[in-house]
Amino acid sequence: EAGVAQSPRYKIIEKRQSVAFWCNPISGHATLYWYQQILGQGPKLLIQFQNNGVVDDSQLPKDRFSAERLKGVDSTLKIQPAKLEDSAVYLCASSLAEGEQYFGPGTRLTVT
Amino acid sequence: GNSVTQMEGPVTLSEEAFLTINCTYTATGYPSLFWYVQYPGEGLQLLLKATKADDKGSNKGFEATYRKETTSFHLEKGSVQVSDSAVYFCALRGYNNNDMRFGAGTRLTVKP
Repeated sequence: EAGVAQSPRYKIIEKRQSVAFWCNPISGHATLYWYQQILGQGPKLLIQFQNNGVVDDSQLPKDRFSAERLKGVDSTLKIQPAKLEDSAVYLCASSLAEGEQYFGPGTRLTVT
Repeated sequence: GNSVTQMEGPVTLSEEAFLTINCTYTATGYPSLFWYVQYPGEGLQLLLKATKADDKGSNKGFEATYRKETTSFHLEKGSVQVSDSAVYFCALRGYNNNDMRFGAGTRLTVKP
């Protein structure tokens, strides 16, 4: 079966610009996660969706980050405006309701 | 809130040596515990898990036991191989299936 797809794989932007990342989960997976992984750290959960509803967004910096999963399938994560400290790998993962999370390859964002 | 504290690396071992990577956690209720591995150039993948106290997760010669009394989930392998070189992440998921938290990761290098 196809894995979690993410695009783009790499993105370089200047601070104060906006950027969007896309994720397509494994077919049939109701739960979708976005993580931020700063170099040398473990992934930090930004937001968790169950179908198209938000389950947990307690660590999402809502003043600049937003995410949506309108049809309960693919999802976009947006940063507007970006800051230097947003440089990281953004990981998308999906799972069945309480099952194993499958991770995508990530999008490496560099903010200059 | 929930958190995971993981042994700092990097760890360098010779082939066939014994491996222990320590992981302790803080959580309310009864979380599920995980070890994820990230091989060079690849995405995160689940190595093993345990969902209740005294459960032992095992895979590829690795094992970890969910110890509620010491709030620990240490990863062990009796004889490491060069191919085990990777970054290992301890993680927990809250009892209500959200609040996923990762440790900072431990880089393991195994030399022939």
